[in-house]
Amino acid sequence: AQSVTQPDIHITVSEGASLELRCNYSYGATPYLFWYVQSPGQGLQLLLKYFSGDTLVQGIKGFEAEFKRSQSSFNLRKPSVHWSDAAEYFCAVALRGEYGNKLVFGAGTILRVKS
Amino acid sequence: EAGVAQSPRYKIIEKRQSVAFWCNPISGHATLYWYQQILGQGPKLLIQFQNNGVVDDSQLPKDRFSAERLKGVDSTLKIQPAKLEDSAVYLCASSLGSQGEQYFGPGTRLTVT
Repeated sequence: AQSVTQPDIHITVSEGASLELRCNYSYGATPYLFWYVQSPGQGLQLLLKYFSGDTLVQGIKGFEAEFKRSQSSFNLRKPSVHWSDAAEYFCAVALRGEYGNKLVFGAGTILRVKS
Repeated sequence: EAGVAQSPRYKIIEKRQSVAFWCNPISGHATLYWYQQILGQGPKLLIQFQNNGVVDDSQLPKDRFSAERLKGVDSTLKIQPAKLEDSAVYLCASSLGSQGEQYFGPGTRLTVT
């Protein structure tokens, strides 16, 4: 069955430090992959997506992610974290069907930023 | 451009009561989704509408949950009767078409006591 695993429930980084959030997926075909961010009391905002082509994808707010087919991974990175990046991050895979893309989400990683 | 609107933002009910949530998608978006997000988990799709027709409700507990999207615009999600395990955030999302980016509303946090 299709699934998304985010191994880290919580991550704490210092402001200005680099960040990597891990995501592994299970999907039979070439996946469509997404990273969303959710701030407290807010809905989910799309950070970036991968459909095909260049495996290094640039997103908003200085985030990037790299698709590695051999490792079934789509890890999110940021070279220098800002205090405003503290939020919960969700990785998702789209199951492509007759009526469009059905998103399957991981359980999320809560990012804490310490000053 | 106005985003996806949801109301109420918070709701507390007792088990066995009924509750309804409302969603107004982005203007012109044909596809509307309802997700359930239980604490500590990612969102799970409950139902997907294309215009005013249901295209996927495979994960909707139909014995207690119902949803409608009259006139292909606003949508309501109802739970009757509610159970303790229905405590969650209910997210509405919309997209221009079924392949498009999904835009999420702020959600309704339901607590069932």
